[in-house]
Amino acid sequence: SQKIEQNSEALNIQEGKTATLTCNYTNYSPAYLQWYRQDPGRGPVFLLLIRENEKEKRKERLKVTFDTTLKQSLFHITASQPADSATYLCALDPGADGLTFGKGTHLIIQP
Amino acid sequence: GAVVSQHPSWVICKSGTSVKIECRSLDFQATTMFWYRQFPKQSLMLMATSNEGSKATYEQGVEKDKFLINHASLTLSTLTVTSAHPEDSSFYICSARDGGGEETQYFGPGTRLLVL
Repeated sequence: SQKIEQNSEALNIQEGKTATLTCNYTNYSPAYLQWYRQDPGRGPVFLLLIRENEKEKRKERLKVTFDTTLKQSLFHITASQPADSATYLCALDPGADGLTFGKGTHLIIQP
Repeated sequence: GAVVSQHPSWVICKSGTSVKIECRSLDFQATTMFWYRQFPKQSLMLMATSNEGSKATYEQGVEKDKFLINHASLTLSTLTVTSAHPEDSSFYICSARDGGGEETQYFGPGTRLLVL
């Protein structure tokens, strides 16, 4: 069965540093991989989508890489800020159906 | 980005009652909407795919008679939890893909259901 793992339940980073979150998956070949931010009691907010034929995508302070050989995506937040503290979800996207989500990584940016 | 709304944002009901949750795409048409459920500290789990004008497709283990889905228009899908029980208490979230071919799924703010 499909399995998607995110690197840890909580990640503490000092403000101004780069936060790197990991998403690994098995038994799956997604057309796309998406990253979302979720705050407590709220629905996920879309951040970035990367296609299977793309290696890297950037948006402002965010960068996502996608290695289909390693079956891994890395999500980077540069110059991190306390406002970046949230849970970040990785989701596998087959292209037409619903998403398969990881449990998420709780990121804490400390001032 | 596109906006998806849900109503109500939270609901408390007695065991045995039915609860209807609405999901609307506000500025785009969505031929397909999705319903997810999230328990505390767990990932979002896909429950069903709602298709405009046709029957919903349910994931394995999700009872279609328990969770009724109606996708009556290109901007509205409803999820009805029938004869709700305490174990149905959860955070229900809908999402939609832009029918124009956009790959991104846009999520609603979620509905917190508490069954007493």
